[in-house]
Amino acid sequence: NAGVMQNPRHLVRRRGQEARLRCSPMKGHSHVYWYRQLPEEGLKFMVYLQKENIIDESGMPKERFSAEFPKEGPSILRIQQVVRGDSAAYFCASSPPNQGVVRNTEAFFGQGTRLTVV
Amino acid sequence: QKEVEQNSGPLSVPEGAIASLNCTYSDRVSQSFFWYRQYSGKSPELIMSIYSNGDKEDGRFTAQLNKASQYVSLLIRDSQPSDSATYLCAVRNTGNQFYFGTGTSLTVIP
Repeated sequence: NAGVMQNPRHLVRRRGQEARLRCSPMKGHSHVYWYRQLPEEGLKFMVYLQKENIIDESGMPKERFSAEFPKEGPSILRIQQVVRGDSAAYFCASSPPNQGVVRNTEAFFGQGTRLTVV
Repeated sequence: QKEVEQNSGPLSVPEGAIASLNCTYSDRVSQSFFWYRQYSGKSPELIMSIYSNGDKEDGRFTAQLNKASQYVSLLIRDSQPSDSATYLCAVRNTGNQFYFGTGTSLTVIP
């Protein structure tokens, strides 16, 4: 059972370009979470998605950032017109649906995408 | 008020000592609680989960949960230099949302 897969691992973009980050959740996991982490700082929640639905995007900037989790394929975090301040590590985590069950609902993380804007 | 709060540290303990990491959460109806370890430059990895009041032991790690006080802790016995990392407390609420603390940096001194 493969873990959470993120790609690319490293991404370099010039200011003004678009960055597209991909996340394939673990098999059987229907919940995807995106987090951003700046150096020496904690994880900052961005968005929580289920298949074809955005459940909570309260942590995502209103401008330039968007996320999707289509019925088929990976979840995508898209950053348009990147700026230097977008440089960070972006982590994706996935978890199974709890369906009323409390246990075995852990979230597992991918290796992250390190975005550098030059 | 933040959903999950941790003392950011840094916390330093000598090798072989017990390291104690603490976390409080604000959502009283939260049901699932987790501790993750993150080495510098790496992704967080799950080390413990706890769902019921009391203690849960796994090797050198013990998680403690007190729902009445909304408090979760992690004890690391016989601390090793390889335990030096940032430890993240996480809480899953009834809406399946995960909230993470900012992490406590632990250094185990040989």
